[in-house]
Amino acid sequence: AQTVTQSQPEMSVQEAETVTLSCTYDTSESNYYLFWYKQPPSRQMILVIRQEAYKQQNATENRFSVNFQKAAKSFSLKISDSQLGDTAMYFCAFMKRGGNQFYFGTGTSLTVIP
Amino acid sequence: DSGVTQTPKHLITATGQRVTLRCSPRSGDLSVYWYQQSLDQGLQFLIQYYNGEERAKGNILERFSAQQFPDLHSELNLSSLELGDSALYFCASSVEVGGAWYNEQFFGPGTRLTVL
Repeated sequence: AQTVTQSQPEMSVQEAETVTLSCTYDTSESNYYLFWYKQPPSRQMILVIRQEAYKQQNATENRFSVNFQKAAKSFSLKISDSQLGDTAMYFCAFMKRGGNQFYFGTGTSLTVIP
Repeated sequence: DSGVTQTPKHLITATGQRVTLRCSPRSGDLSVYWYQQSLDQGLQFLIQYYNGEERAKGNILERFSAQQFPDLHSELNLSSLELGDSALYFCASSVEVGGAWYNEQFFGPGTRLTVL
């Protein structure tokens, strides 16, 4: 079974600063994908970034980047130049390769302070 | 807008009742997934349908059932409702290319169910 753990229920950051959200996971799979989803107050689930486990290079999407440590089973999200619109719940998620279901963490509530 | 639609947006009902949640996938997507998000929790996978057939089942209670119709829309039926069933219910859809390593799922806006 797969488990995803987010140990930071709430975080805050000043506008324009950088923040890192933590995520660890446990799996016996060797091929899988990791994701960060954003859930703003509108409740819509928005894909922020995806990392393939077989790729050593960390994924980057504009101001969002990850630090993927496969051996440590760690997958953190770094948000640079934080904006007010980044205020949301952030969920870390796992899916095995060829799989059909996500395994989500419990989320981190991020507040960007003006 | 993901292209996945869910109705209704909100639903308030009483314990013991039965409700039906509806999901229309993106045009061309054959797979539909249902997830439950309880308060302060991540999303929990309930069930997947592919082209009308059940493909995978997760932590879905026996009081819950789902189906996918020939036009590919899906319904999640929740019966004998309990207070603990209050949650956000998300539907997602994907193309589901055979043999693909990864099929991106697109989430709908969710249905908020409140059981009083």
